[in-house]
Amino acid sequence: NAGVMQNPRHLVRRRGQEARLRCSPMKGHSHVYWYRQLPEEGLKFMVYLQKENIIDESGMPKERFSAEFPKEGPSILRIQQVVRGDSAAYFCASSPGVGQGATEAFFGQGTRLTVV
Amino acid sequence: AQKITQTQPGMFVQEKEAVTLDCTYDTSDPSYGLFWYKQPSSGEMIFLIYQGSYDQQNATEGRYSLNFQKARKSANLVISASQLGDSAMYFCAMRENRAGGTSYGKLTFGQGTILTVHP
Repeated sequence: NAGVMQNPRHLVRRRGQEARLRCSPMKGHSHVYWYRQLPEEGLKFMVYLQKENIIDESGMPKERFSAEFPKEGPSILRIQQVVRGDSAAYFCASSPGVGQGATEAFFGQGTRLTVV
Repeated sequence: AQKITQTQPGMFVQEKEAVTLDCTYDTSDPSYGLFWYKQPSSGEMIFLIYQGSYDQQNATEGRYSLNFQKARKSANLVISASQLGDSAMYFCAMRENRAGGTSYGKLTFGQGTILTVHP
């Protein structure tokens, strides 16, 4: 029973390139959350998606960042024209749906993006 | 306004001793959840323990317990019998429920506390 799977684990991009981060939720989960962790900081919420819908993108930078969760396949966080300040760890979490309890507690292992 | 505050940037504890990591929170929502995570040097986020705002008893999971004081809005993590493998960053997080009572998984994290366990 695989947990939340993120790939790649490490990603190096030159300034100006695009970064694509993938998140496959746990089996049976249809809700995905993306968080960013800058060095020496806690995680900051970016976006919450359900299949084919963006529910809350209040934490997404206004430009260059986008996210999707298609009907089939993983959720994708896309960063266009990366800059050095985008270097961070990006985490994904998934849940089976809206509810109480600790069901939204589990994270993937993260993708470490380094922009050179 | 800071919703989750962890006032201890770093903590040290002797192996086999107990340690308390502080967390205070701020919310006007009567229904919320509190989480603790461990982040070792390898970087993954490991879920430790959860406390719901309506739970009558303090949550416990093995050597982890959550000292939940609702009136003081604190949710301190207690690790008993510390082990060398407990050395890591620890994050407190809160999930607030949307108006109407349904919750969703958006978490707000504190800045973290680095715990170092000495042999």
